[in-house]
Amino acid sequence: AQRVTQPEKLLSVFKGAPVELKCNYSYSGSPELFWYVQYSRQRLQLLLRHISRESIKGFTADLNKGETSFHLKKPFAQEEDSAMYYCALSGHRGSTLGRLYFGRGTQLTVWP
Amino acid sequence: DAGVTQSPTHLIKTRGQHVTLRCSPISGHKSVSWYQQVLGQGPQFIFQYYEKEERGRGNFPDRFSARQFPNYSSELNVNALLLGDSALYLCASSPGTGGYYEQYFGPGTRLTVT
Repeated sequence: AQRVTQPEKLLSVFKGAPVELKCNYSYSGSPELFWYVQYSRQRLQLLLRHISRESIKGFTADLNKGETSFHLKKPFAQEEDSAMYYCALSGHRGSTLGRLYFGRGTQLTVWP
Repeated sequence: DAGVTQSPTHLIKTRGQHVTLRCSPISGHKSVSWYQQVLGQGPQFIFQYYEKEERGRGNFPDRFSARQFPNYSSELNVNALLLGDSALYLCASSPGTGGYYEQYFGPGTRLTVT
């Protein structure tokens, strides 16, 4: 069965410190993996996806198929990074096609 | 484009009642998906519609139903409301149904069942 696990419900760091938000998944096959972000009083929006291999707002995420992980990292956190972050996966076949499976989310707080 | 829009913003209903939530996708998007987000949890998939046909259904009871109209807007209906149906209901649109498509989310409808 498909599952996304985000072990940390809350994460706090100081401005300028590195940050890593953990995400592990289970899926039989090769899923599409995403990080979505929700800033205060804004709608859920895509931050990045593994297939594009981009760095968005200084964030990167590497897919590790051996460890089935897709951790989100940023070397120097900024106060404006404070938000709720959701890891999600989507499948390419059958009942998983096009539907997003979300983790429970990690609330990141960056202190000044 | 205003993005995905949803109505109403907030709704309070009583147990046993019926509710209809509405969603308008981004212009040009033919796929609409519905998600339920209970407080403290990530969104959970309910339905996906593409070209007016149901393409996927999550693990929700038959009290939940949806449809998509010729203009690609969508309605989510919930019958016989239970207290546990209280949640934020999110609509997302995308150009197609493939897993690689980005889904664009609306602001959600906050449903409270008393």
